[in-house]
Amino acid sequence: EAGVVQSPRYKIIEKKQPVAFWCNPISGHNTLYWYRQNLGQGPELLIRYENEEAVDDSQLPKDRFSAERLKGVDSTLKIQPAELGDSAVYLCASSGLASQETQYFGPGTRLLVL
Amino acid sequence: GQQLNQSPQSMFIQEGEDVSMNCTSSSIFNTWLWYKQDPGEGPVLLIALYKAGELTSNGRLTAQFGITRKDSFLNISASIPSDVGIYFCAGRQGYSTLTFGKGTMLLVSP
Repeated sequence: EAGVVQSPRYKIIEKKQPVAFWCNPISGHNTLYWYRQNLGQGPELLIRYENEEAVDDSQLPKDRFSAERLKGVDSTLKIQPAELGDSAVYLCASSGLASQETQYFGPGTRLLVL
Repeated sequence: GQQLNQSPQSMFIQEGEDVSMNCTSSSIFNTWLWYKQDPGEGPVLLIALYKAGELTSNGRLTAQFGITRKDSFLNISASIPSDVGIYFCAGRQGYSTLTFGKGTMLLVSP
């Protein structure tokens, strides 16, 4: 069974540029999560989707971050414009419908903003 | 927001030694999880705990859900070089999102 797929794996951009990350969850998983992991820290939730609905986006900086999961499968996380402090690893995870179920993480996208 | 205090921050041990790490919180959780993250990869679930006092093993790993529901412990017995990585605890209240600790970096010398 294929795991959570993320691309790109690495991205280097200059500040003020836009950037987008893509995630394909495990087949059949209704719940999708985007996390940000700063260096030396644990993952912190940005947004959680149940199918195509964003049910928890309270930690998403909405002035520059946006996300979508139009057909309830793949998801895209966008930053526009990027700032130096956005440098981090962006992790996508998915789980079954019940929120108690195990979250499976993708390998992450490592973003460096110069 | 909620915070989990994970200790130690890092450990450097000899192969074959046992390892203990713990996680504490000022809040009560009804689920405790332990993940391992290898360099360049996402976290992988090791053990999930759902009841206070629960003791669960996964091979050489054993984790416990503290009686107070505010802490959890992870033990690794007879460590091997492939145990190297960062171990994260994570807690959940009800159906809320996971809160992660800052991680314990484990280095194992052959």
